[in-house]
Amino acid sequence: GESVGLHLPTLSVQEGDNSIINCAYSNSASDYFIWYKQESGKGPQFIIDIRSNMDKRQGQRVTVLLNKTVKHLSLQIAATQPGDSAVYFCADYGITSGTYKYIFGTGTRLKVLA
Amino acid sequence: DGGITQSPKYLFRKEGQNVTLSCEQNLNHDAMYWYRQDPGQGLRLIYYSQIVNDFQKGDIAEGYSVSREKKESFPLTVTSAQKNPTAFYLCASSIATGGHTEAFFGQGTRLTVV
Repeated sequence: GESVGLHLPTLSVQEGDNSIINCAYSNSASDYFIWYKQESGKGPQFIIDIRSNMDKRQGQRVTVLLNKTVKHLSLQIAATQPGDSAVYFCADYGITSGTYKYIFGTGTRLKVLA
Repeated sequence: DGGITQSPKYLFRKEGQNVTLSCEQNLNHDAMYWYRQDPGQGLRLIYYSQIVNDFQKGDIAEGYSVSREKKESFPLTVTSAQKNPTAFYLCASSIATGGHTEAFFGQGTRLTVV
C-alpha cells in the first residue's frame, strides 16, 4: 500500500468531534496559504485557502486560521467524519530566492475513530 | 472534465534505465510542476515550468530532466543518474506563477526500482 505518511504525526479524534491540525511556516514573504487533503495512494486535493490580508476563512465544515505574527496556520474540521481520515498538509506561497514557490509542510495524519 | 492526468500509476525501473513519467493537463494552466514525495517528508520540487518552452530546476533536480514543448504536457524523465528514484511522483499545475491560486495535482505515479 501507499507508504506516504508512514512517519507523520498522527491526530486521532472521535467521530463527531472537532479536529484541529496545525502548521508552521517560515517564509515571511509568503502571502497565500493552502490546505490539502491526501488520501492513501492519491494526489493531494485542495480543501481551503487564505490570503495574508485575512486571519480567518470558513468553508463547508472547515475553517482556516492564519496568525502571521507567529507564522502559524491551522485547519479546523467540524464534526469529523470517517471520510476525513487522510493526511493533511499546508502549503505557503510566496517569493523564495527571487521565484514564486509553493512550500509544503510534512503533513499530519488524521485518524477518525468510530 | 478538466483535470491533470498522470500515467502510469505504477512504474518499475531496472537499475541503469531511464524512465519517463507522463503529465497532461487540460486546465489551460501556464505553470506546471513536478514534486517528489517520500515518507515523512513534505513535497520536494524537482522542476517547474512557467510557460511553454521554458523550465527551471527545483530543489532536487539532479538525476531528472523535463521538457515543455506543449502547454498541456510536462513529462519527467528519471535518468540512471538518479541514485534513489523509488518514490511517489506528483505533477501539478497552476494558472501562473505569481497568480496566488492553488496548485492542482494529478493522482501520482509510484516509481519502484527493481
